[in-house]
Amino acid sequence: NAGVTQTPKFQVLKTGQSMTLQCAQDMNHNSMYWYRQDPGMGLRLIYYSASEGTTDKGEVPNGYNVSRLNKREFSLRLESAAPSQTSVYFCASSAPAPNSLYEQYFGPGTRLTVT
Amino acid sequence: QKEVEQNSGPLSVPEGAIASLNCTYSDRVSQSFFWYRQYSGKSPELIMSIYSNGDKEDGRFTAQLNKASQYVSLLIRDSQPSDSATYLCAVKPGSNYKLTFGKGTLLTVNP
Repeated sequence: NAGVTQTPKFQVLKTGQSMTLQCAQDMNHNSMYWYRQDPGMGLRLIYYSASEGTTDKGEVPNGYNVSRLNKREFSLRLESAAPSQTSVYFCASSAPAPNSLYEQYFGPGTRLTVT
Repeated sequence: QKEVEQNSGPLSVPEGAIASLNCTYSDRVSQSFFWYRQYSGKSPELIMSIYSNGDKEDGRFTAQLNKASQYVSLLIRDSQPSDSATYLCAVKPGSNYKLTFGKGTLLTVNP
């Protein structure tokens, strides 16, 4: 099993350009998440999808859109990139577990720079 | 605002010592608690999860939970240089699917 995979690993964009970050998981998990991680800010939730067909905003959703394409795939789109979106983006997935553990497993990340 | 607080460190311990990492949380209805290890430039890796009061041991790692004090800790016995990383505490508040993360504690184990 590959676990959670993300593409691309690195990306440089100019201000105003758009792009989509791809995430896929092969663990048959119901829930998927997009985070960004910035120095001194920790991990912040952008959007999440509790199950196929549903998406909800997290802590910092402005400037992003998501699509839960099917149970395996959850994409994050930047419509008009801004320098403030320079960050490392992580996708994660989880499944219901006894005692409400909902352990989350992370992909390798995408390092995005917006100039 | 539900918060998870960690000492940012750095915490420096000699090889073979016990490293103690601490985390407090503000939401009393939190149900599950997690410790992740993150090496520089890598993604967070789940190392421990705990949901009931007391201790949970897995190899050299022990997670301790005290819900009355809203406190969770991670002990690493016989610390190794390979344990040098940032350790993230995460809390699952209530019945929703989201985790709230602390900002992490940087641990350095000196040979």
